[in-house]
Amino acid sequence: EAQVTQNPRYLITVTGKKLTVTCSQNMNHEYMSWYRQDPGLGLRQIYYSMNVEVTDKGDVPEGYKVSRKEKRNFPLILESPSPNQTSLYFCASSFLRDHMGKQFFGPGTRLTVL
Amino acid sequence: DQQVKQNSPSLSVQEGRISILNCDYTNSMFDYFLWYKKYPAEGPTFLISISSIKDKNEDGRFTVFLNKSAKHLSLHIVPSQPGDSAVYFCAASEVSYEKLTFGTGTRLTIIP
Repeated sequence: EAQVTQNPRYLITVTGKKLTVTCSQNMNHEYMSWYRQDPGLGLRQIYYSMNVEVTDKGDVPEGYKVSRKEKRNFPLILESPSPNQTSLYFCASSFLRDHMGKQFFGPGTRLTVL
Repeated sequence: DQQVKQNSPSLSVQEGRISILNCDYTNSMFDYFLWYKKYPAEGPTFLISISSIKDKNEDGRFTVFLNKSAKHLSLHIVPSQPGDSAVYFCAASEVSYEKLTFGTGTRLTIIP
């Protein structure tokens, strides 16, 4: 089944404790992206990657890191999480050739930072 | 600065009637517009899109209209069904398609 998977789905952590949210897709997509969803703000793009070893900042990159060592994986790293990073996070992917914004989304990771 | 705006946080429509969801944008560089649908505890799923060179695109019960001069697009769902109850996000991208800018979403409730 073609899908984008994220782990964990739910995470409660404390301020300053480094964490990684994994994202994997099995569709051979070149493009991958991370978003956060907050009430009243919609989805905002954190980082995106056009291909392996190519990453770029979205609209809200502060406090986050990403890496793209393999085509299928795009982990989101919070080196020192803070309460304002409590949010619902989505990973997405797509082909570049017919991209035009048509992205496949994972099921989401709900993160709480205490 | 919210470049894509959905001014109605919620909308209730009777089953069988038309649902109209609206979206306004400010960035004249946007080239492609999309609607995504989101159910609780799931990620958004692509619904329908329209290029800036068109003013209408239809897919079954779903039609998207684009008014470039007014920087406005709308999604029409006819007839509305209970399974259409979800949050709908409007999104836009510039010609590079590298970044998607989303609106804040409209929660649509279809009343049986």
